[in-house]
Amino acid sequence: NAGVTQTPKFQVLKTGQSMTLQCAQDMNHNSMYWYRQDPGMGLRLIYYSASEGTTDKGEVPNGYNVSRLNKREFSLRLESAAPSQTSVYFCASSATGSRNTIYFGEGSWLTVV
Amino acid sequence: DQQVKQNSPSLSVQEGRISILNCDYTNSMFDYFLWYKKYPAEGPTFLISISSIKDKNEDGRFTVFLNKSAKHLSLHIVPSQPGDSAVYFCAASGKSGGSNYKLTFGKGTLLTVNP
Repeated sequence: NAGVTQTPKFQVLKTGQSMTLQCAQDMNHNSMYWYRQDPGMGLRLIYYSASEGTTDKGEVPNGYNVSRLNKREFSLRLESAAPSQTSVYFCASSATGSRNTIYFGEGSWLTVV
Repeated sequence: DQQVKQNSPSLSVQEGRISILNCDYTNSMFDYFLWYKKYPAEGPTFLISISSIKDKNEDGRFTVFLNKSAKHLSLHIVPSQPGDSAVYFCAASGKSGGSNYKLTFGKGTLLTVNP
């Protein structure tokens, strides 16, 4: 029962480098999300995908791009990493919208130096 | 502009006593509220939810109360156990541009239950 799986779990990047966080869910959910968690800031929505083929900006989209590759997979890309993007990133999914329980992955710790 | 507020960053209670975590919201369009629990180095996990048509929802030791007029909800844990020590996030959703896909989270409250 994998649920939501995200990789890598830990990553250190240099300023200006690019990387992609991968996320996959095996619950046949339509909606997928990327959040970031910073100390004292709670969970903030970066991007979400209500259904396969659609993506929308969340609260803090600047510096990120996403791809909903198929129903299972939703990736988050940092094109040119900045120290301000040092954070813990959580991928999540839900059946259809947020009335259904959102299930989170275990998190990816990203440090940009 | 913080739409979901958890004004207590931390709370400490004794094992066996009641824990009360509070949450306030400002957006009157919110009509569904959830509590998530998060242990260190893990993702948040769903705990309990309540729709705006109700004022109380109970699940075992956990009860959520909603006061719509005050735009306030609270999570009661009775009796509190050491294993309940975690960060608790309040979250809300509602129609937004015709959709209801997005959850807005509070900043979280760290609950510590002392043996």
